Amino acid sequence: EVQLVESGGGMVQPGGSLRLSCAASGFTFSSYSMNWVRQAPGKGLEWLSHIDSSSSMKHYTDSVKGRFTVSRDNGKNSLYLQMNSLRAEDTAVYYCARTVSPLYFQYMDVWGKGTTVTVSS
Amino acid sequence: EIVMTQSPATLSVSPGERATLSCRASQSVSSSLAWYQQKPGQPPRLLIYGASTRATGIPARFSGSGSGTEFTLTISSLQSEDFAVYYCQQYYNWPSGPSGPFGGGTKVEI
Repeated sequence: EVQLVESGGGMVQPGGSLRLSCAASGFTFSSYSMNWVRQAPGKGLEWLSHIDSSSSMKHYTDSVKGRFTVSRDNGKNSLYLQMNSLRAEDTAVYYCARTVSPLYFQYMDVWGKGTTVTVSS
Repeated sequence: EIVMTQSPATLSVSPGERATLSCRASQSVSSSLAWYQQKPGQPPRLLIYGASTRATGIPARFSGSGSGTEFTLTISSLQSEDFAVYYCQQYYNWPSGPSGPFGGGTKVEI
């Protein structure tokens, strides 16, 4: 079964850091580019970051550029999101999602169930 | 930057009726448009890509149409499990700018 499972969420104080992980199974992880998408409580979807299959290209939305870093380990079938300088507005459910292309951002055909990040003092 | 706008924000429909959801791009995205369905507490599910191609396992009552700047998702006869929020997403111009690739969503309610 094709599956993505996020972990690493939790509560953190403003200015703090968290590292999210996404474990992939049931498909050849190294053949797909991957994304992080988040959803604040009661809000819509916000794309955050894309990384291609070989980690050669990484892109971020402006609101997280310089604070968040996406990475992957194809040997461990895992995707990561290092989040620093967290703000209250980063409170959201964070999803990892697969893109069908190994290189380019396209539509996302497989999604994890998400992990919740709460930034609060 | 391409801005995706969905309308209406909320659509009230009875089971068995037809639902028509709109998505407009501020400039052409060709046919590089996807639709997702999201139910409460669940992740989004891909319904349509390439503006009109149903994803694997998606029932035929879901159909997508349009190209350029105007797109439509039609649910021909609403079932109880179809009441959800629907998002469109462009992937023609990427990175897409501060507004992001997703529309704001349409909630389909009873």
